[in-house]
Amino acid sequence: KQEVTQIPAALSVPEGENLVLNCSFTDSAIYNLQWFRQDPGKGLTSLLLIQSSQREQTSGRLNASLDKSSGRSTLYIAASQPGDSATYLCAVWDYGQNFVFGPGTRLSVLP
Amino acid sequence: EAGVAQSPRYKIIEKRQSVAFWCNPISGHATLYWYQQILGQGPKLLIQFQNNGVVDDSQLPKDRFSAERLKGVDSTLKIQPAKLEDSAVYLCASSFPEGILGPLHFGNGTRLTVT
Repeated sequence: KQEVTQIPAALSVPEGENLVLNCSFTDSAIYNLQWFRQDPGKGLTSLLLIQSSQREQTSGRLNASLDKSSGRSTLYIAASQPGDSATYLCAVWDYGQNFVFGPGTRLSVLP
Repeated sequence: EAGVAQSPRYKIIEKRQSVAFWCNPISGHATLYWYQQILGQGPKLLIQFQNNGVVDDSQLPKDRFSAERLKGVDSTLKIQPAKLEDSAVYLCASSFPEGILGPLHFGNGTRLTVT
């Protein structure tokens, strides 16, 4: 059964810092991995989607990498801003046709 | 394009009462999902539809939860009777027919409180 974990559970950084969020999954047989952002009281907003054949995806200040063999993905946020404060979740779509979410990392960027 | 629409935004009910949630996916999206998100956890899939057929409902508590997607567009999720542990945010998402390779798009969710 696929399990997804995220470390750290919470992170607080001063504005301007570069930071890395980690996502691990137990079964490497995946179709893709997706990073989401969730603001309090809101739904999930898709940030980046990495297909299993890809190594990374970039969007603005965000860069996500995927190492399928080791069951890991990282989300890199450059020059963090207070507006980046949110919960970041990763999810994998595995060969069992399941889309499994991690518990999320709660990020606070302090001005 | 318009996003995934959900209503109501909030609902407070007493245990043993019934409640229904509504979802309208992005136009043209054949695949629709209902997720349950308990505070501090990631979303958990309840049911997945492809058009108006059920693809996966293995984690849906069928003794109290039901869902339908008539005409392959809008969907409703019902809980009857509700229990305290059903307090959560219920999220609807949709994706293109080739959903396995495409991103999920989520609505803002319905926050349910059962007292």
